[in-house]
Order: sequence, then C-alpha cells, then structure tokens
Amino acid sequence: AQSVTQPDIHITVSEGASLELRCNYSYGATPYLFWYVQSPGQGLQLLLKYFSGDTLVQGIKGFEAEFKRSQSSFNLRKPSVHWSDAAEYFCAVGATDSNYQLIWGAGTKLIIKP
Amino acid sequence: DGGITQSPKYLFRKEGQNVTLSCEQNLNHDAMYWYRQDPGQGLRLIYYSQIVNDFQKGDIAEGYSVSREKKESFPLTVTSAQKNPTAFYLCASSTDRLLTDTQYFGPGTRLTVL
Repeated sequence: AQSVTQPDIHITVSEGASLELRCNYSYGATPYLFWYVQSPGQGLQLLLKYFSGDTLVQGIKGFEAEFKRSQSSFNLRKPSVHWSDAAEYFCAVGATDSNYQLIWGAGTKLIIKP
Repeated sequence: DGGITQSPKYLFRKEGQNVTLSCEQNLNHDAMYWYRQDPGQGLRLIYYSQIVNDFQKGDIAEGYSVSREKKESFPLTVTSAQKNPTAFYLCASSTDRLLTDTQYFGPGTRLTVL
C-alpha cells in the first residue's frame, strides 16, 4: 500500500535561514506529489505539485520542491524563510491504483525563531 | 469571491447526539470531500462525492453520513455511532476527481464532544 512519511514532526529555523522539509513516499510507479500548507486553525492551501516533466517544481510563496525517484523523495525547500511561513506543512501522494485518493503525511510543524 | 465555507467554526456536542457540519462551495466544482484531521496525523478521507446524488465511502466512513442533493453543498453528519468524534473536520472540493485537480479546502470545523 502507498504511504507517505514526513520524518520531522517539528523543525525550528531562524528567520532568513534556508529551509528543507523532507517527504518520502512508498509507491511503485511515478506518483502524483503535492505539498500543502496549513496555518493554525485553518484549511489547507496548495503550495506546489508534481505530475511529470521537470523534477524541480516551483510553487507559491517562494517554495520549491524536487522529485528524486531514486530516493522516493519530494523535499520542500525555501532559500530564506519569513516569520509568516510558520505553519504546518503536509506532503501528499496520489496514485491511480489507490482509487484516486490522496495519501497524506502526518505533517511537519515549522517554527520560526526571530 | 469564490471559495468554500464551513460552519460552524466550533461545535460542541453531547455524547449520544447527532450533529451536522455544513460545507458550501461556489467554485462550480463537481467533486467534494470530507476529511478528518487529528493531532500528529495526516488527513483521513471520510466520504467523497464526484457528482450530485452520488457519494462514496472513504477510509473512515463508519459513524458518519453525507448527502449531495445540490452541487454546491455537501453536509456531513456525525452520528452517535462514531466512537471518537472529537476532531478537526475539513471539507474540500475540486473540479473533478482526477489526481491532477487541485483540492481547495474550507477553513474547517472543530468538533468537541463533551
């Protein structure tokens, strides 16, 4: 069965520093990959998605992610974080043989130090 | 403005009572979803609907029921059969139920059983 792992429950980063959030998935074929962000007490907003083509994907708010098939990873990056980036980040995987459902990671909470 | 609204934002229920959570969208989307979110876990799919008058169970449908009488509305009823209903409930919609379609989320309803 497909699965998504976000190894870091919490990550603390200083404002202005770079960020990388990890996401590993388990799926036999090329998956559909997503990163969403959730501000406290709010719904989720799509940051970026990967289906095919260029493995480096640009998203909103200055985020990017890189699909690495050999490592089954889809890590999210940002070169310089802002205090407003403090939120919870979810990686999700969609697969056609999972009835087109999204399988969600448990999330990584990003804390920004001033 | 187009979007998804959920009401109420907070809901308190006594044990043994049924309660209905509202979800309305004006995005003209065919597909709608209900997810449950618990701390430290990813989103879990309760029910989804691809079209009016049709809906399917997700991974954790037991103790929940839905209806889809109108394209823009997809209410969720949490019944007394749901053993652990305290959670954050998120409604989402997408153009269709293809994995390439972005899911747009409402702000959520936090249900607490007293």
